[in-house]
Amino acid sequence: SYELTQPPSVSVSPGQTATIACSGDNLGDKLVAWYQQRPGQSPVVLVYQDTKRPSGISDRFSGWNSDNTATLTIDGAQSMDEAEYYCQAWDGTTGVFGGGTKLTVL
Amino acid sequence: QAQLQESGPGLVKPSETLSLTCSVSGGSVSSGFYYWSWIRQPPGKGLEWIGYVYYSGSTNYNSSLKSRVTILVDRSKNQFSLKLTSVTAADTAVYYCARLSGGSGWYYFDYWGQGTLVTVSS
Repeated sequence: SYELTQPPSVSVSPGQTATIACSGDNLGDKLVAWYQQRPGQSPVVLVYQDTKRPSGISDRFSGWNSDNTATLTIDGAQSMDEAEYYCQAWDGTTGVFGGGTKLTVL
Repeated sequence: QAQLQESGPGLVKPSETLSLTCSVSGGSVSSGFYYWSWIRQPPGKGLEWIGYVYYSGSTNYNSSLKSRVTILVDRSKNQFSLKLTSVTAADTAVYYCARLSGGSGWYYFDYWGQGTLVTVSS
């Protein structure tokens, strides 16, 4: 079965740029979405179709996907960005999530 | 804007069937633009896609759960449901219902319910 791999944790200083990677075989041939999940809350979509942001999502969040790695970039990290982040793609008709990355802003 | 709300028992005995319902408001499960999906998250762990249903009743399931899962749509009640048979402690999780938007190859979950914790225990 298809797998998406994320680092368990990423740390960033306030105001700096955080980058979260998601890797999978030929992931660049698929379209990736990214979700943010704050503790005790439901996930929220930040990016879909690799690079697009839904209405209402800050332009501090951006996505890219090429070759075997998709990335989520968070510019000007803030304490409110501390959360778990998940990448997601489709392997045919099967939905696949990455294992999640905990972002710490300190 | 769509709102989704899960409901069902919070405690299920091992070997029994887990049954949940997702009520949709602010949108219609009869719309051909969306799929309706279930996702779960074991305590302290990541997200796992369970499956989805289309307004026509067609379904698609995670192969790891396919033998135990049924997702149905009830257009008259604007709801869809999940049944998971022969549950074990490994099925203990927060279960989310969510709407799938997008197109072929790029569907994404744009609206989620608040989630409901189902514990499997005798």
